[in-house]
Amino acid sequence: DTGVSQDPRHKITKRGQNVTFRCDPISEHNRLYWYRQTLGQGPEFLTYFQNEAQLEKSRLLSDRFSAERPKGSFSTLEIQRTEQGDSAMYLCASSGRLNYGYTFGSGTRLTVV
Amino acid sequence: KQEVTQIPAALSVPEGENLVLNCSFTDSAIYNLQWFRQDPGKGLTSLLLIQSSQREQTSGRLNASLDKSSGRSTLYIAASQPGDSATYLCAVMAGNEKLTFGTGTRLTIIP
Repeated sequence: DTGVSQDPRHKITKRGQNVTFRCDPISEHNRLYWYRQTLGQGPEFLTYFQNEAQLEKSRLLSDRFSAERPKGSFSTLEIQRTEQGDSAMYLCASSGRLNYGYTFGSGTRLTVV
Repeated sequence: KQEVTQIPAALSVPEGENLVLNCSFTDSAIYNLQWFRQDPGKGLTSLLLIQSSQREQTSGRLNASLDKSSGRSTLYIAASQPGDSATYLCAVMAGNEKLTFGTGTRLTIIP
């Protein structure tokens, strides 16, 4: 197992387009998290899953954002009608059990032009 | 609401020196505290995880301490090397399983 994988690594899109990111967690981890990081800031929580159930969504996640984790495996994060303010690093992390710490992926850098 | 502060925001030290990075948090009701390293444009690499019942953790040249009652943690790096240059992030986990991050300390080791 090579850790948490995110695809793509970089995405440049025009304003108004839809984008989708994928995250493959460590296989035995049942918890999966999405965070967003803007330049010079620490990551901010977006949403998390335990198995296939989405347990919490941040108020940062507008109606244009949706996340899924079918069958409790990989997860996708979709942003519809992208805006320039969506430009950020989108980070995925997974964890096997509460209090065992997170393992992060390499992130997807989104640039909206 | 949990708030995490890291001081200093940036630090430059000559190679070989020992250094300390600081992290403070406002709510002591935490499950754990985790230190991460982030290279420019990259994801986060976990360095050390300290459970709320622990006082410190060590890995190689790194030592992290936790004083839950005062809401503080330190990351000590011994014999610094140019490869240690990166941003170091502190994050705390509360009962809601979410991590709250500081804004990081950008460390530069001068050869």
